[in-house]
Amino acid sequence: GQQLNQSPQSMFIQEGEDVSMNCTSSSIFNTWLWYKQDPGEGPVLLIALYKAGELTSNGRLTAQFGITRKDSFLNISASIPSDVGIYFCAGPNSGNTPLVFGKGTRLSVIA
Amino acid sequence: DAGVIQSPRHEVTEMGQEVTLRCKPISGHNSLFWYRQTMMRGLELLIYFNNNVPIDDSGMPEDRFSAKMPNASFSTLKIQPSEPRDSAVYFCASSFVGRPEQYFGPGTRLTVT
Repeated sequence: GQQLNQSPQSMFIQEGEDVSMNCTSSSIFNTWLWYKQDPGEGPVLLIALYKAGELTSNGRLTAQFGITRKDSFLNISASIPSDVGIYFCAGPNSGNTPLVFGKGTRLSVIA
Repeated sequence: DAGVIQSPRHEVTEMGQEVTLRCKPISGHNSLFWYRQTMMRGLELLIYFNNNVPIDDSGMPEDRFSAKMPNASFSTLKIQPSEPRDSAVYFCASSFVGRPEQYFGPGTRLTVT
């Protein structure tokens, strides 16, 4: 089946720095979703992307749907301690369901 | 608005015991998904339902696992008998049929000793 590769696997940054992470696939996706998981909680949907080239923001978060439809990027500006968590990309395996998830990028923010 | 509700949040049981996990999807959603999350394998889809009907259970590890959705507002995932390797966090998620956006519950952390 389709697989999503996320990089980096983990990152440590200073508070206030910008963060960039990405997600790639060998197959074309028609939708990209970005989730954040806090410790002990379920993943929370942050941003959904539906068109190649689309750039969408949610507060300090910005995500882009790659032109090739095989990748997506998530950027976080001016990181704060509550940004700590695991960020997952996901996309529909076929049609619109079910979702395939990447392994996640674990973000740590050093105050 | 209430999100996806799961119970219990934590379950500790002995090997061989039956375990039942419960999920109430977001009101109005008609697709429901059960996932398992471990450090080694990440998030794995176990089974999903559309309009209370199981569509794909190919992710269910073995016959010890079963899931039901008797109505639009309730689903169960049962493990009988449980084994230590079943220890994981189990998530339920819901969505509208045909829509990719899934909304997750807080999960049930299962420990089998």
